[in-house]
Amino acid sequence: QVQLKESGPGLVQPSETLSLTCTVSGFSLTSYSVSWVRQPSGKGPEWMGRMWYDGDTAYNSALKSRLSISRDTSKNQVFLKMNSLQTDDTGTYYCTRDTEIVMPSYYWYFDFWGPGTMVTVSS
Amino acid sequence: ETVMTQSPTSMSTSIGERVTLNCKASQSVGINVDWYQQTPGQSPKLLIYGASNRHTGVPDRFTGSGFGRDFTLTISNMEAEDLAVYYCLQYGSIPTFGAGTKLELK
Repeated sequence: QVQLKESGPGLVQPSETLSLTCTVSGFSLTSYSVSWVRQPSGKGPEWMGRMWYDGDTAYNSALKSRLSISRDTSKNQVFLKMNSLQTDDTGTYYCTRDTEIVMPSYYWYFDFWGPGTMVTVSS
Repeated sequence: ETVMTQSPTSMSTSIGERVTLNCKASQSVGINVDWYQQTPGQSPKLLIYGASNRHTGVPDRFTGSGFGRDFTLTISNMEAEDLAVYYCLQYGSIPTFGAGTKLELK
């Protein structure tokens, strides 16, 4: 069955770089795109960026200067790196499987989510 | 960036009640809206895609509607398991979520 799982450090120092890994199973990274979504405690989620199935990437313009998403298809992993972390980057970070349907109408949705990993930015 | 404004922020409901949640886009997004449900400590779960299509396994008491800027999620017969926070999402070039509507028991 489809599964995604995020992993990474729970605590990051201010101004440091966050590195997270999303390990997937039950689908191929060359058939489906994977997004990163984060959510501060008590607030709505924020889409951060996407690794397309063809290896291309897309980023939220608000984060683009600090964010990099890559993958290793042989290991079924997608990676997130974000630099210059500040306290307002604290929250739960999720990876999601994206499903895109183009016919008969265009649809796009996050149909599977990992359990999330909590990241705290603090000294 | 398209801003999604959800109303109300929270709502007190009763079991068996009909509940209507609203989501308004800052510009027209066609039918490019999904709805997600999040219970405490859990990841969001897809309910509705393309404004009105129920995802696999979603009970038919959940109905989505709308086009352009105004969207609605209706729960026809509230059940205890529906107490959660509901988010709308528009999936344009930069997908954006609303801030959510929290359903609580009266």
